[in-house]
Amino acid sequence: DAGVIQSPRHEVTEMGQEVTLRCKPISGHNSLFWYRQTMMRGLELLIYFNNNVPIDDSGMPEDRFSAKMPNASFSTLKIQPSEPRDSAVYFCASRQRTGTGIGAFFGQGTRLTVV
Amino acid sequence: AQRVTQPEKLLSVFKGAPVELKCNYSYSGSPELFWYVQYSRQRLQLLLRHISRESIKGFTADLNKGETSFHLKKPFAQEEDSAMYYCALSGRAGNKLTFGGGTRVLVKP
Repeated sequence: DAGVIQSPRHEVTEMGQEVTLRCKPISGHNSLFWYRQTMMRGLELLIYFNNNVPIDDSGMPEDRFSAKMPNASFSTLKIQPSEPRDSAVYFCASRQRTGTGIGAFFGQGTRLTVV
Repeated sequence: AQRVTQPEKLLSVFKGAPVELKCNYSYSGSPELFWYVQYSRQRLQLLLRHISRESIKGFTADLNKGETSFHLKKPFAQEEDSAMYYCALSGRAGNKLTFGGGTRVLVKP
């Protein structure tokens, strides 16, 4: 397996534009997580899915952010409209069901810059 | 609710010195605990998990349920250990993985 795959690796966009980040989890993993990493706030959990169903989206900053998981092999995180304060590295991670003692595996991240 | 606290934002040690990264957690049940490492501008990688009681790259971590801690230790730090370290917790239900704020380790020559 190639691991968790995120695209694009880098994204530079202008304020007000729509941004879509993509993630392909590891095959067979039940859960998918979206995290945001910044110097100021560290690693924040935005939302996570179990079996394609959103379980906890309390970390989503505001209505400008939305996430979907239409099937077990694909998820998107969309920001519309984007703002400079959204600039961060966005990580996607996936894991098997809890209780296995196996943690989550992370993608390489998408570095988003909103100018 | 589950919470992870890493009290030190930065640890600076000399090569060959011991290093200990503190992690305290809050969870009402029996958690699964992990340590992740992130080298500069790379993805987070799983370093250790409490369930396996293993030593990876010279690091060990012991779960202390009485003190609700899962500190990470290495007796002799190396320059290549310079990185960001995150402690993480997962409850037995729901699969949610919560991270602490991270500790940056700088190993000086």
